[in-house]
Amino acid sequence: EVYLVESGGGLVQPGGSLRLSCEGSGFTFSSNYMHWIRQAPGKGLVWVSRINSLGSGTIYADSVKGRFTISRDNANNRVYLQMNSLRAEDTAVYYCARESARSYHIDYWGQGTLVTVSS
Amino acid sequence: DIQMTQSPSSVSASVGDRVNMTCRASQDINNWLGWHQQKPGKAPKLLIYAASSLQSGVSSRFSGSGSGTDFTLTISSLQPEDVATYYCQQAETFPATFGQGTRVEIK
Repeated sequence: EVYLVESGGGLVQPGGSLRLSCEGSGFTFSSNYMHWIRQAPGKGLVWVSRINSLGSGTIYADSVKGRFTISRDNANNRVYLQMNSLRAEDTAVYYCARESARSYHIDYWGQGTLVTVSS
Repeated sequence: DIQMTQSPSSVSASVGDRVNMTCRASQDINNWLGWHQQKPGKAPKLLIYAASSLQSGVSSRFSGSGSGTDFTLTISSLQPEDVATYYCQQAETFPATFGQGTRVEIK
C-alpha cells in the first residue's frame, strides 16, 4: 500500500524558513512525479509545486515562486519543500501527493503537516 | 490559469438519495479532471480520475462524467460515510487548479 508521511511543520516567524519532508513507501518512489499542495485553515486546496521523477524539472505556483524550492532524494524516498521568506498567508496544512505514472493524475495524498507563520 | 467552479457549494440529502454535483472549467480541459474527497479533519482521497475512471478501491457508488468544460460527480446512494467536501481538480495544465469544493451533508 502507498504511504506518504510528511514532517517538518511548525511555528515560524514571518521572514523565517522551514523545510518540509515527505517520505514515500509502498511504491517505486523514483518512478513518480511528486507534488506539494496546501490548505489554509477552513479554506480549499491550492497546488504549490511539482517535481519530476528525476528531480531535474520543477514548477511552482506564482505565489511561492522564488521563495520555495522543491527537491527530492530518490535514494531515500523523500521529497522536500524548502520554504524561505515565509509570510502569514503561507499558514496552511501542507500535503505531499503522488502523481500516478499511468494516469498523470494526483492519486495518493499524505496526512499533511501544519505550518503556522506568526510572530 | 484555468478556473474551476463547483456547484452547489453545499448539499444536504437523505441516506439513499442520489446526489449530483458539477464542476465547470474556464477552458477546455478534455478529460483531465479528477475528483477528490476530503472528510473532516482528514487528507483528501482520489475518487475519480480522467473524468470518469474509478480509482482502485473506491466504492462503485461514485461515478464521474463529462468532458471539455463540464463535469459531474454522482453519488448513486448517499451513505453516512460520504459526508465530506468534494473537490474537482484539473490536470490539463499548470498550475493545477482545484474547485472551491462542494460540502455534502446528511439531512
